[in-house]
Amino acid sequence: DADVTQTPRNRITKTGKRIMLECSQTKGHDRMYWYRQDPGLGLRLIYYSFDVKDINKGEISDGYSVSRQAQAKFSLSLESAIPNQTALYFCATSDGTSGRGETQYFGPGTRLLVL
Amino acid sequence: AQSVAQPEDQVNVAEGNPLTVKCTYSVSGNPYLFWYVQYPNRGLQFLLKYITGDNLVKGSYGFEAEFNKSQTSFHLKKPSALVSDSALYFCAVRDGNSGYSTLTFGKGTMLLVSP
Repeated sequence: DADVTQTPRNRITKTGKRIMLECSQTKGHDRMYWYRQDPGLGLRLIYYSFDVKDINKGEISDGYSVSRQAQAKFSLSLESAIPNQTALYFCATSDGTSGRGETQYFGPGTRLLVL
Repeated sequence: AQSVAQPEDQVNVAEGNPLTVKCTYSVSGNPYLFWYVQYPNRGLQFLLKYITGDNLVKGSYGFEAEFNKSQTSFHLKKPSALVSDSALYFCAVRDGNSGYSTLTFGKGTMLLVSP
C-alpha cells in the first residue's frame, strides 16, 4: 500500500551495529505496528502503538525498541544487531476508530541482513 | 490466547480448477478473521475479513472465505484459479471481545497455480 512507506527497503549491517528502520503513513490512522517475517514462521508482532503516547511490546520485543515520533511516524531500532535478526520487517497501520474489525494495511517491507 | 493454524505449507492446483487454502483458529471471544496475500517482494495485501453476519465472505480478486464456527475454520476459496493467484497467503485472527487485542497470523500457505 503506497500510503504506508518504509525506509530503507534493503539494509545490510554488521553484528553490533545500531540501526533504525522507519515507517511513515499518510492514511491518518492512529494505530501502528512492527512485524518481522521469517520463512516458515509467518509474521510475528514486535511492537505496537495505539496512539502517540502508547507503546506496547509484542510477541518478540527483545533486542528491539521503538519510537512513535508523531501519529504518522513509527520507528524500529535494533540497538545492537545480531545475525538472527536477519528478516523481512513490515510496518502496518490501522484505524482504531473504525471498530474492532479494523483492517491493517502494510508497507512494502524492509529486508535486513545482519552479517 | 489466540492462535491460527494453516495446516498446509503449500497448495498446488491447476489453472481453472477450484482452490482451497485452509485455516483453523482458536480464540476465547468472538473471532474476527482475515486473509492477506503476499506477492513476491511485496507487502501484505488485504483480501477479505469476517466480523459478523453471513458466513460466506466475498473479497478481492474473486476470492471468498467460509466461516464455520463449529469447526473453527475460515477456509479461503476461489472457483477457478489463475496462474497470477500464485502467492503466499496468510490467515489471521483477532479476539473481537477485546478492544486491545492484536492480530495473530498463521505461518502462511504458498499457493502455486500451474498453467
